[in-house]
Amino acid sequence: DIQMTQSPSSLSASVGDRVTITCQASQDISNYLNWYQQKPGKAPKLLIYDASNLETGVPSRFSGSGSGTDFTFTISSLQPEDIATYYCQQYDNLPPGITFGPGTKVDIK
Amino acid sequence: QLQLQESGPGLVKPSETLSLTCTVSGGSISSSSYYWGWIRQPPGKGLEWIGSIYYSGSTYYNPSLKSRVTISVDTSKNQFSLKLSSVTAADTAVYYCARLRLEQLAFDYWGQGTLVTVSS
Repeated sequence: DIQMTQSPSSLSASVGDRVTITCQASQDISNYLNWYQQKPGKAPKLLIYDASNLETGVPSRFSGSGSGTDFTFTISSLQPEDIATYYCQQYDNLPPGITFGPGTKVDIK
Repeated sequence: QLQLQESGPGLVKPSETLSLTCTVSGGSISSSSYYWGWIRQPPGKGLEWIGSIYYSGSTYYNPSLKSRVTISVDTSKNQFSLKLSSVTAADTAVYYCARLRLEQLAFDYWGQGTLVTVSS
């Protein structure tokens, strides 16, 4: 089974700061990596698919990069509404299988 | 606008079977471009994929839950369902249903979630 790790587990940053979260897979997953935002009491929301593609309607301050085992999620200028927990999610196609990372909680300093 | 809505008991006794249904509106569950899936989240913890189903009935389960999970689809009602047997307190969680885009296996539409508590 593929294991996913995320770091840090939590962070605190100021409005306007650049925020970076990393996600690491236990083996090569190519670009089969998606990112979600979950606000308290709400369902997750898809932000990035296939490592670097911005979902329609998602603000451009969110971005993703990476391939293989190491991936990065970036908020270029943190806004108050970005307070949430962010999850990476890897997928296998054959057979279809899905694993979420443990999450990174982002707060405002 | 696609909407998904979970329904089912909020309280299940230990050793019994948890049963939930997801009703899809604003779109067809029979679309060839999507799977449909269940994800859960224990209180204060992260997300866990339970399994997914295609409109044809093909199913894919998390290996850690496979022995206890059954997911089925009813295309005539535009619904899919989850059964989780032999539940324990560890199965207490918010259960989400979601649409899974076939090409990227990304969950792009989610239900609001329903809390299921396992307790006697």
